[in-house]
Amino acid sequence: NAGVTQTPKFRILKIGQSMTLQCAQDMNHNYMYWYRQDPGMGLKLIYYSVGAGITDKGEVPNGYNVSRSTTEDFPLRLELAAPSQTSVYFCASSGTPGGFNYGYTFGSGTRLTVV
Amino acid sequence: QKEVEQNSGPLSVPEGAIASLNCTYSDRGSQSFFWYRQYSGKSPELIMSIYSNGDKEDGRFTAQLNKASQYVSLLIRDSQPSDSATYLCAVVRAGNQFYFGTGTSLTVIP
Repeated sequence: NAGVTQTPKFRILKIGQSMTLQCAQDMNHNYMYWYRQDPGMGLKLIYYSVGAGITDKGEVPNGYNVSRSTTEDFPLRLELAAPSQTSVYFCASSGTPGGFNYGYTFGSGTRLTVV
Repeated sequence: QKEVEQNSGPLSVPEGAIASLNCTYSDRGSQSFFWYRQYSGKSPELIMSIYSNGDKEDGRFTAQLNKASQYVSLLIRDSQPSDSATYLCAVVRAGNQFYFGTGTSLTVIP
C-alpha cells in the first residue's frame, strides 16, 4: 500500500517555465489537497478536491491550477513560474471531509526552486 | 487572530525529561484535533488525534484537550533524541475546515 505518491521529489525551474507536480493515492480517498510549506510559515492550502471533477481554491491559489479527472490523481500545475513559488509542496488525502476523525495522509513532498 | 497558534520555539529538553507542547485555537466549534510530527526535510506524520475533553495516551505520548479554554497540548514522556522534530497542531473546524499551526521545534539534548 503506497499511500500518497508525489513526483518529482526535487525540481529546479527557470522563471517563466511551467510544470506539473504529480500526486496519486491508492486509498480510494475522495478528499485531496495541495499545500505549500515555506520556512517558519506553516502549511498553506493551495487547492483541494472533494471528489473526481470537483476542485476548489484554498488560501493561496494564485499562480496554480489543478484538475481531478480520477479519484486517484490530483496534479498541480504551475504556469509561468516565479521566485515566490519556491517552496516545498505537499499533497495529502483523507477519507473524510476535512480529515475529520482520521487526519490527513501526506505525500513525501516536492522541493521546488525557481531561479 | 490566527485559527491555530503555537509557540514556534525552539523548545529544548534534556533526554529523559517531559516535553510539553501547546496549541490554542480560535473557533469554539472545532471538532477534531491532531498532532503531527515533521522531521527536517520530511512530510508531516500523524502521531495523535483527540476529539473529547481530557487526556488520551499512546505510549510515551499524551494529548490533552480542554475545549472550554480552547487549548490542546502534547506531552512527550521520557524524551529521546529521535523525538527532535517540529510538531504541528491541526484543528478541524465546523464545516470541515482543516487548519495547521506553524509548528513548534523541539530539540532533545542527549
